[in-house]
Amino acid sequence: GAVVSQHPSRVICKSGTSVKIECRSLDFQATTMFWYRQFPKQSLMLMATSNEGSKATYEQGVEKDKFLINHASLTLSTLTVTSAHPEDSSFYICSAPRPGPITDTQYFGPGTRLTVL
Amino acid sequence: AQTVTQSQPEMSVQEAETVTLSCTYDTSESDYYLFWYKQPPSRQMILVIRQEAYKQQNATENRFSVNFQKAAKSFSLKISDSQLGDAAMYFCAYSFPQGGSEKLVFGKGTKLTVNP
Repeated sequence: GAVVSQHPSRVICKSGTSVKIECRSLDFQATTMFWYRQFPKQSLMLMATSNEGSKATYEQGVEKDKFLINHASLTLSTLTVTSAHPEDSSFYICSAPRPGPITDTQYFGPGTRLTVL
Repeated sequence: AQTVTQSQPEMSVQEAETVTLSCTYDTSESDYYLFWYKQPPSRQMILVIRQEAYKQQNATENRFSVNFQKAAKSFSLKISDSQLGDAAMYFCAYSFPQGGSEKLVFGKGTKLTVNP
């Protein structure tokens, strides 16, 4: 079964509004989670690393004031797209490393399709 | 910087046949991990197989196996007895431990079509 959930799966909003996307690890704790963006027919682009109890780490070129990340608990990270514009329309995916005997394995949420009108 | 290259944007295979997807990577690290992820039309990323760089033995998972050539920095995926459900985008990915978090670097993907 799913080990990482995302909500909502789809969202349509008007330009200028803010949208919050939740990512939850279902049966394990994750001090770190990752947020990706995927354009149609392209690969996943890492946006930021969400750190529980501290600030998120953003990849080069990602606007931290536009994409607010809050790691509220050991099982929840949120991504808020502020003042959304049509160019922010994309597929957003989160992942969380699940502890394993040797190393962690990244499990992915089902993704959120954001459409900004 | 670490990079992952998938040189085959698209591949096709007949049902029940075998297909190999290519992946090369560039890194100066000695301890790292390699992955193949599958993304079907639902867009849910699914882990197919994982390889630890320190292991010489190639990983296998049922019909999926890898050919890991560390010196050549090559990590190909072989799918045997292809099934219609194998049709998807396949992404090769690399990660290495860095300060407690293991970021994944993805290739651009290979779209696999399985013909009945």
